[in-house]
Order: sequence, then C-alpha cells, then structure tokens
Amino acid sequence: SQTIHQWPATLVQPVGSPLSLECTVEGTSNPNLYWYRQAAGRGLQLLFYSVGIGQISSEVPQNLSASRPQDRQFILSSKKLLLSDSGFYLCAWSQGAMDSNQPQHFGDGTRLSIL
Amino acid sequence: DAKTTQPTSMDCAEGRAANLPCNHSTISGNEYVYWYRQIHSQGPQYIIHGLKNNETNEMASLIITEDRKSSTLILPHATLRDTAVYYCIVRSIISNFGNEKLTFGTGTRLTIIP
Repeated sequence: SQTIHQWPATLVQPVGSPLSLECTVEGTSNPNLYWYRQAAGRGLQLLFYSVGIGQISSEVPQNLSASRPQDRQFILSSKKLLLSDSGFYLCAWSQGAMDSNQPQHFGDGTRLSIL
Repeated sequence: DAKTTQPTSMDCAEGRAANLPCNHSTISGNEYVYWYRQIHSQGPQYIIHGLKNNETNEMASLIITEDRKSSTLILPHATLRDTAVYYCIVRSIISNFGNEKLTFGTGTRLTIIP
C-alpha cells in the first residue's frame, strides 16, 4: 500500500530564517505531488504541484519554492521566512493523469509557526 | 469548480448512521463529487468520490441525486473516531490550469455523541 511521510510535524522558526520541509511517498511510482497550506479555520490553498522529476508548477507567487529531486520526494523551501508564512503545510499525492478522477491523498502535515 | 454548501455542524449518536448533506446545484457534467474528512491537527483523509452513480466502500456510502445537484455521505455505524470536519468538494476532470487543486470550503463539523 502507498504511504506518504512529512517531516517535521511541528516547526518554530524566526522571521528571516530559511525553511526546508520534506515529503516522501512510498509504494507507488511517478506520482503527482502537491504542496498545500491551510490557514487556521480556512480551507486549503494549493502552492505547488509536480507531475514529474524537476517539473514544478506554482499556483501563487510568494517567497516559497518547491523542488522534486527524486520521483517520490517533494521539498518545500524558503530562503527568508515571513510572519505570513505561518500555517499548516500539507503534502499530497495522486496517481494517474492530472485530468483523471483519482483522489489526492494527504500526509499528516507540518505545523509551522514563525516568531 | 462548482461551489458546495454544507451545514456548519451536526451531531450523531454513536452507533447510528450519520447522514451528511451537500448541495452543489451548479455542478457541471464533468465534475466529480469528492468527500474528505479532517481530524484536528491531521491531514485531510480521502473518503469516497463519485460522478452520478451511488458509491460504497469500506468507509462510507455516497448517494448522489439524479439531477446531481446534491449528495449525501452516509457513515453507516458512527463511532467516536468519526468525529471530524467533513468536506464535500466538486472537481472537474478537464485538464485546465488550476484544475489540479482541491478547493475545500468550511465543511461540516460532525460530533459523535456517546
């Protein structure tokens, strides 16, 4: 069966510090990968998605970036964090073409607090 | 993607069936209905999805009306672990930019009462 791992689960960082969140998927190959952010009491905002190694699409402009160095690894980064970057970051995967009806499956998220 | 409307909160007695409604009156022919739930401090969990036929899996049943303007998620024997926020989402399978995202509304906060 497929599993998705995110780490760390919780992170507290000062403003202006760098960020690296990692997500890996096991039990599948060539998955579609996604990074979302969920603000408190609100819905999910898609940040990035990837259909393959080195292929990244950005949904909204911001000081975050994403990379996919390996087939089942997705990394969310920032060079200098802002207070507004606080939130609950979720990684998800899906199988098949992007226009298929296959559901997305989420990791347990990273709760990021910026001080 | 079509907008969905769900009740803000519901209660259900433990062991009874929980029926969660969702209105999606502007749904188009190529949009699927997906249900997810989110337990506090965890990522959303996929439950079930369908296009126009009723669907059932090990977690729940999905009943979609004939005109597809509304649907109901049924948890047949609710347990305390089913307490969560339940999200109904409609998503097009047409490959357009931005189609890939899931748009979560505010959902229904379901509380299972012992």
